[in-house]
Amino acid sequence: AQTVTQSQPEMSVQEAETVTLSCTYDTSENNYYLFWYKQPPSRQMILVIRQEAYKQQNATENRFSVNFQKAAKSFSLKISDSQLGDTAMYFCAFMREQETSGSRLTFGEGTQLTVNP
Amino acid sequence: DGGITQSPKYLFRKEGQNVTLSCEQNLNHDAMYWYRQDPGQGLRLIYYSQIVNDFQKGDIAEGYSVSREKKESFPLTVTSAQKNPTAFYLCASSIRSGIDTQYFGPGTRLTVL
Repeated sequence: AQTVTQSQPEMSVQEAETVTLSCTYDTSENNYYLFWYKQPPSRQMILVIRQEAYKQQNATENRFSVNFQKAAKSFSLKISDSQLGDTAMYFCAFMREQETSGSRLTFGEGTQLTVNP
Repeated sequence: DGGITQSPKYLFRKEGQNVTLSCEQNLNHDAMYWYRQDPGQGLRLIYYSQIVNDFQKGDIAEGYSVSREKKESFPLTVTSAQKNPTAFYLCASSIRSGIDTQYFGPGTRLTVL
């Protein structure tokens, strides 16, 4: 079974600064996908970024980028130029590659990020 | 607008009653999922469905039931057998299962009185 660990329950950052959220995972699979979702106070789960394990290049989406270290099974999220609207719970999630059966997301326990003005 | 809707947003139930949570999507996605979220925790998978008239148990299916009679709809029934049903319930969908990103609805907060 896969496990996902987020070792930082809470973090805070000043507006306009950069912050990095950590995530490690455990799997014996070679092909898989990793995700960061954010959950603001509205509790809507919003996709932030997705990384395919077969890609060596780290995914980026505007101010959000990841540092994917496959050998170390590490998948950190960097948020640059932090904004007040980035305040949310951030979840790291793992998904096996399965063509013929249901794909399940395995979630970490989340990191609550607070951006201070 | 395409998206996933869940209703109601808040739901209250007396102990011993069954209750059904609605999830509808107009994204033409094949796969749909139900997750449960407890305070301070990540999401756990209850049930998922790859196609109409087919569904599989997730990690915490006991006390829950689902149906998938239409592609657009995947209702979840919380039965009286579920020992601790108070939680936040999230529905998700993906184009197909296996490798596609899951997108989430706004959620339903269920409270058992």
